[in-house]
Amino acid sequence: EVQLLDSGGGLVQPGGSLRLSCAASGFSFKSYAMSWVRQAPGKGLEWVSGLSGSGVSTYYADSVEGRFIISRDNSKNTLSLYMSSLRAEDTAIYYCAKGLVGATRGYFDYWGQGTLVTVSS
Amino acid sequence: DIQMTQSPSTLSASVGDRVTITCRASQSINSWLAWYQQKPGKAPKLLIYKTSSLESGVPSRFSGSGSGTEFTLTISSLQPDDFATYYCQQYSSDLYTFGQGTTLEIK
Repeated sequence: EVQLLDSGGGLVQPGGSLRLSCAASGFSFKSYAMSWVRQAPGKGLEWVSGLSGSGVSTYYADSVEGRFIISRDNSKNTLSLYMSSLRAEDTAIYYCAKGLVGATRGYFDYWGQGTLVTVSS
Repeated sequence: DIQMTQSPSTLSASVGDRVTITCRASQSINSWLAWYQQKPGKAPKLLIYKTSSLESGVPSRFSGSGSGTEFTLTISSLQPDDFATYYCQQYSSDLYTFGQGTTLEIK
């Protein structure tokens, strides 16, 4: 059974940093593209960042380019998102999402339960 | 970036109704479109991918169609469990985008 367990959210001050993690199980993690998708309170879904199975290719939404870094550890089946220079508008539930095998582009067939990030002083 | 626009934003309907949600892309995305259902407090659930392919386990009352820039999600006969928010997502480019969502409410 595919499982994605998101963690690392919390309250952080504007300008601060935070690292999110997603522990994956139930599939060959290293073979699949992965992404982070966020949802601000009461708002819609926004794709944040994605990377290929190898981790070589990474992609970012314009809203987080230069501030967030996505990475993965295929030996530990873990996806990470390092967020810096955080702003109030980064407040959201962050979901990790499983993409397609052997591809960087695709839809998301499994999602984590989400972890809440609140940026506030 | 490719912009995705859904309509309507809110849809009121009754159990048994046939409903259609539209998603328009700002440029052609061929058939690289997915649909998700989200219920309050839950993660999104994949319903349809590549415009019209039904994800395993999704009821056959859900269907998708379209190509290029205009796409639709149709629910043939609404069930109580279908009242939720629906999102389209394009994956034609490396920078994915979602529609703003359509909330399906009970009339």
